[in-house]
Amino acid sequence: EAGVTQFPSHSVIEKGQTVTLRCDPISGHDNLYWYRRVMGKEIKFLLHFVKESKQDESGMPNNRFLAERTGGTYSTLKVQPAELEDSGVYFCASSQGGDRGNTEAFFGQGTRLTVV
Amino acid sequence: AQSVAQPEDQVNVAEGNPLTVKCTYSVSGNPYLFWYVQYPNRGLQFLLKYITGDNLVKGSYGFEAEFNKSQTSFHLKKPSALVSDSALYFCAVRDKGSARQLTFGSGTQLTVLP
Repeated sequence: EAGVTQFPSHSVIEKGQTVTLRCDPISGHDNLYWYRRVMGKEIKFLLHFVKESKQDESGMPNNRFLAERTGGTYSTLKVQPAELEDSGVYFCASSQGGDRGNTEAFFGQGTRLTVV
Repeated sequence: AQSVAQPEDQVNVAEGNPLTVKCTYSVSGNPYLFWYVQYPNRGLQFLLKYITGDNLVKGSYGFEAEFNKSQTSFHLKKPSALVSDSALYFCAVRDKGSARQLTFGSGTQLTVLP
């Protein structure tokens, strides 16, 4: 069974440019999460999809970040325009539907974003 | 609000010695607790979790963790460390009654010295 995959693995962009990160969850997983680790600090929650619907986007830092999950399959996270403080590692995770919180999430390898 | 503290940024241990990576948590209700590991250039891998029942939980690669409700701790342990255990370890918590996202600690870099 394929795991969670993320593209690209690394991205270096200039301040003001746009970047789109992609996440393919484990097939059949209804829950999809985005997290971010900045400057070696803790991993912080960004948002949660259940199928194609945004269940919780309380962790999104500002309106420069836009996440979508068309058709309830893969998800994209767009940063437009990128700022220096957006640099970090962006993780995607998925878990099975009906998750009552006791199910572990499976993580991708992350996308390392560097804004220069 | 829930939070996790990993008081040690770095833990060094000799190969063959027991290891402990510390984690304390704060939640308003009862917790679900998780440990994840990140090897270099890899994603986060699930190690083990505490949901309910026995306070000592066993996970992958010989790791175990003990849930201590009175001390609000969930320390990760292994009786005999291997050089290959060297990695970044994250503790995470979910409040049973709240949203589904995980709250992570800042991570502990474990180095096992040969």
